[in-house]
Amino acid sequence: QVQLQESGPGLVKPSETLSLTCTVSGDSMTNYYWSWIRQTPGKGLASIGYISSSGSTNYNPSLKSRVTISVDMSKNQFSLKLSSVTAADTAVYYCARVYRGYYFEVFDYWGQGTLVTVSS
Amino acid sequence: DIQMTQSPSSLSASVGDRVTITCRTSQNIANYLNWYQQKPGKAPRLLIYAASSLQTGVPSRFSGTGSGTDFTLTISSLQPEDFATYYCQQSYSTPQTFGLGTKVEVK
Repeated sequence: QVQLQESGPGLVKPSETLSLTCTVSGDSMTNYYWSWIRQTPGKGLASIGYISSSGSTNYNPSLKSRVTISVDMSKNQFSLKLSSVTAADTAVYYCARVYRGYYFEVFDYWGQGTLVTVSS
Repeated sequence: DIQMTQSPSSLSASVGDRVTITCRTSQNIANYLNWYQQKPGKAPRLLIYAASSLQTGVPSRFSGTGSGTDFTLTISSLQPEDFATYYCQQSYSTPQTFGLGTKVEVK
C-alpha cells in the first residue's frame, strides 16, 4: 500500500519561503510522477506542479515564478518550495502520486494534507 | 487553463436516493475526466477515471458518463458513507484543474 506523508512548518511569515517534504513509502518512486496540490476554502483544489522520478518538472503557470519542486530518490522524498509567500498562500497542501495510464492520468494516492498558514 | 463548472454546488438527499452531479468543461477534453470524493479533514479519494472507469475498490453504485465537455457522476442508491463533497478534475492539459465541488448533505 502506497503511503505519502507531508512534513514541514505549519506557520510561515509573509515574504518568506514555504518548504514542505513528502515522504513516500510502500512502493518505488521510479516511473511515476509526483505532485503538489493545495486547497483553500475560496479557490478549492489547485495543482501546483509535478516532478518525474528523473527530475523533469511541470509547474502551474500561475505559480511558476515562485515554485520549485525537487526529488530525492535516495530518501524516497520529493519537496516543494514556494517563495515570497503571502496570506493568499495559506492552504492545506497535499502531495500526491500521479498515475499515467494509456489514456488517462489521475492522482491515485494522496498524503493526509498539511495546513500551512502565512502570518506574521 | 481549462475551466471546470460543477452543478449543483450542494444538494440535499436521503439514503437510498439516486444522486446526479454534473461537470462541464470550457473546452473539449475527450474523456480525460476524473471524479474524487472528499470527506471533512481527509484527502480526496479517486472514484472514477477516464470519465467512466471505476477505480479499484470503489462500490459499483458509483458510475460516470460523458465525453467532450459534459460529464456526469451518478450514485445509484446513496449510502450513509456517501455524504461528502465530490470534485471533477481534468487531466487533458496542464495545469490539471478541478471543479469547485458538490457537497452532498443529509436531507
